[in-house]
Amino acid sequence: DAGVIQSPRHEVTEMGQEVTLRCKPISGHNSLFWYRQTMMRGLELLIYFNNNVPIDDSGMPEDRFSAKMPNASFSTLKIQPSEPRDSAVYFCASSLAAPGGRTEAFFGQGTRLTVV
Amino acid sequence: LAKTTQPISMDSYEGQEVNITCSHNNIATNDYITWYQQFPSQGPRFIIQGYKTKVTNEVASLFIPADRKSSTLSLPRVSLSDTAVYYCLVGERNQGGKLIFGQGTELSVKP
Repeated sequence: DAGVIQSPRHEVTEMGQEVTLRCKPISGHNSLFWYRQTMMRGLELLIYFNNNVPIDDSGMPEDRFSAKMPNASFSTLKIQPSEPRDSAVYFCASSLAAPGGRTEAFFGQGTRLTVV
Repeated sequence: LAKTTQPISMDSYEGQEVNITCSHNNIATNDYITWYQQFPSQGPRFIIQGYKTKVTNEVASLFIPADRKSSTLSLPRVSLSDTAVYYCLVGERNQGGKLIFGQGTELSVKP
């Protein structure tokens, strides 16, 4: 398996523009997570899905952020409109939550977003 | 979720054993202790997980005392490539992988 695949790897956009980050989880995994990492705030969990259903979006900073998972093999994180303070590395991760089993999250390479 | 406390940074030299201790005083009965490693410009990577006593794999060992209020990640004979940030996480083993990362410990290995 190629692992968790994120695109694009780098994104530079102007303030006010819409940004869409994409993620393809590992095949067979039933949980998907979006994280944001900055120097100031570290790694923050934004939202996570289980079986394509959003379970906890309490980490989503504000209404400008939205995430979808239309099927088991694809998820998007959208920021509209984007602001300079949204500049960060956004990670997608997936895992297989099996009863009684160890849950290990596999992370993608991340998308480095710069909003100017 | 239980809060964790670990040193912000540590320095070591190649070939030494490195022990990183994490405090989790409010750990719950169902909680497991998991460590992740993150290299610059990469996502975190699972290292090891345990519930009590000692766990060892090809990468590291995890020591957990009886009261489980702390844990120690042990890296034997570190090399320059072990320079990374190490995160200690505490949570239910089967919570779907929901992970709450703390500040982590930035380990710097010098020649």
